[in-house]
Amino acid sequence: GAGVSQTPSNKVTEKGKYVELRCDPISGHTALYWYRQSLGQGPEFLIYFQGTGAADDSGLPNDRFFAVRPEGSVSTLKIQRTERGDSAVYLCASSRVQLTGGSHPSENTEAFFGQGTRLTVV
Amino acid sequence: DQQVKQNSPSLSVQEGRISILNCDYTNSMFDYFLWYKKYPAEGPTFLISISSIKDKNEDGRFTVFLNKSAKHLSLHIVPSQPGDSAVYFCAASVLIQGAQKLVFGQGTRLTINP
Repeated sequence: GAGVSQTPSNKVTEKGKYVELRCDPISGHTALYWYRQSLGQGPEFLIYFQGTGAADDSGLPNDRFFAVRPEGSVSTLKIQRTERGDSAVYLCASSRVQLTGGSHPSENTEAFFGQGTRLTVV
Repeated sequence: DQQVKQNSPSLSVQEGRISILNCDYTNSMFDYFLWYKKYPAEGPTFLISISSIKDKNEDGRFTVFLNKSAKHLSLHIVPSQPGDSAVYFCAASVLIQGAQKLVFGQGTRLTINP
């Protein structure tokens, strides 16, 4: 497909279990982002990949959260020992990367979001 | 510490009139601002953006205004249409290694009444 694809769309898991959330970015987008949106709030940044490497993981709430992007395309967000407070919509986005210099974004570098995975921990 | 704030959780506007959504930010390092629109069960969709070196950007019915001294931006939609009913998120970004790390506001639910 042409857009960012996330699977599953919904995931219900028991407290303490391990979950994996998958993101397929737009082809050719080297930047990939994970955000988390809680009820009534805007999305909050978790982690950003440039190619295969995590360029910025400052938004991950604790060491139960981990994300990989081994081949620079598909990414997996992994949550260990899930807690009820982890319940949220997890959004993935991808974008082109600005290759030229300068401090202001060039056109066509905006992030495109997937439909999200709604995670419910019971 | 909420760096991007949308103080109106909801807004109701009559079809054909102007909708004005507001957003305030605190971090003067932000250099790019975006508006996203979100329908239920879908991800946010990019709407319009503005660089901090400009004070206005227009795209069809949508115009974004930036007041850097007041750290305030607004989105104007005119004329408003029923399909504009959605949650609108203001976002600010800082460039990191050529990509944009977004900080979002809490969102404003816009309802356009026929």
